[in-house]
Amino acid sequence: QVQLVESGGGVVQPGTSLRLSCVTSKFTFSAYAMHWVRQAPGKGLEWVAFISFDGTRKSYADSVKGRFTVSRENSKDTLFLEMNSLRPDDTSVYYCARAGGDYGDYVFDSWGQGTLVTVSS
Amino acid sequence: EIVLTQSPGTLSLSPGERATLSCRASQTISSSDLAWYQQRPGQAPRLLIYGASSRATGIPDRFSGSGSGTGFTLTVSRLEPEDFAVYYCLHSGGSPPGYTFGQGTKLEIK
Repeated sequence: QVQLVESGGGVVQPGTSLRLSCVTSKFTFSAYAMHWVRQAPGKGLEWVAFISFDGTRKSYADSVKGRFTVSRENSKDTLFLEMNSLRPDDTSVYYCARAGGDYGDYVFDSWGQGTLVTVSS
Repeated sequence: EIVLTQSPGTLSLSPGERATLSCRASQTISSSDLAWYQQRPGQAPRLLIYGASSRATGIPDRFSGSGSGTGFTLTVSRLEPEDFAVYYCLHSGGSPPGYTFGQGTKLEIK
């Protein structure tokens, strides 16, 4: 059973930084693209960032471009999201999701349980 | 940028009834790039349908997807109590790849 476990969330003040982690297991992490998706309280899903299997390609939602950085450490089966200049509207549950499995390159087929980031003064 | 519009926003039905959820794209998209997800309260999204009409492993056959071009549909043939949840469509693909969720349809018990 594929496992993805996010951590690193918490309550932070506006303008500060936070680093999220997604530790994976039960699959070959280095063979899969990964994504971050967020969900503000009571709202819908918003795609945040993509990183290719080898980390050479990345893309970001306009809402986080220039502030967030996605990275991965394949030797440790771990995905990261570095979040800088945090704003109150970044308050969300952040999910990591796997893509590129049997269902197709762009299908998000497995998700973590999420970690809550609250940006408030 | 592709925008996905889901309707209705909320659908109130009883167990045993048929549910039809719509996802409309602002421009033509490839069927291979359209997926449906279910999200129960307090849980992560779960993949139901990929490629517009293929069920993911372990998904009951009462769930089906259809459509092409700009209009896509998720149908639940006979609602079970556990099906009452929020459903999202997702466009992921294109060149360069883009990723857009619909705003969701809440399926609630009538």
